[in-house]
Amino acid sequence: QKEVEQDPGPLSVPEGAIVSLNCTYSNSAFQYFMWYRQYSRKGPELLMYTYSSGNKEDGRFTAQVDKSSKYISLFIRDSQPSDSATYLCAMTNAGKSTFGDGTTLTVKP
Amino acid sequence: DADVTQTPRNRITKTGKRIMLECSQTKGHDRMYWYRQDPGLGLRLIYYSFDVKDINKGEISDGYSVSRQAQAKFSLSLESAIPNQTALYFCATSDTGQSNEQFFGPGTRLTVL
Repeated sequence: QKEVEQDPGPLSVPEGAIVSLNCTYSNSAFQYFMWYRQYSRKGPELLMYTYSSGNKEDGRFTAQVDKSSKYISLFIRDSQPSDSATYLCAMTNAGKSTFGDGTTLTVKP
Repeated sequence: DADVTQTPRNRITKTGKRIMLECSQTKGHDRMYWYRQDPGLGLRLIYYSFDVKDINKGEISDGYSVSRQAQAKFSLSLESAIPNQTALYFCATSDTGQSNEQFFGPGTRLTVL
């Protein structure tokens, strides 16, 4: 079993929809929970990260961590075609990150 | 100029050939990483280095080797390339903070025939 499991997708939504991207994990030592966005033919870029449980909001994006359930989510409000990308969750312990397999999102105009 | 650069960006080679992928960074980070990305398999760690004298194997190091020539340079070698090493390869850097936020290069698309 993988340490990090990510909902595989792909997801296709209309512009303006609310998107929910999710990951579960098994290693309780993970402390930092991150979301990376990867556009086609590009390297991943950090979107946002959260330390421990709770919510963090940045514009249209909200990251949510529930350590008791070992579950993290990324919500995108008012999704835009420019949000079309692959989203990777990642979790960190002792200076190393473990990535989910990614969810490809397409937002249709 | 990009903070993390990789050369070459694309490479086609034949089975059995030796190939080197190079990574340079201007971010001043001590930590550097090599990943491969395959469709549906996410990013898998090949090797990582926390400073110039530190080299560690990741989850899929067999068939690969690395060299940390300087703080800014980290090379990945395939001693004898095989077709199942066809993949997208990414170099990444991070500072020594606990969050381990990583900064990725643009990737090298490698095809082994």
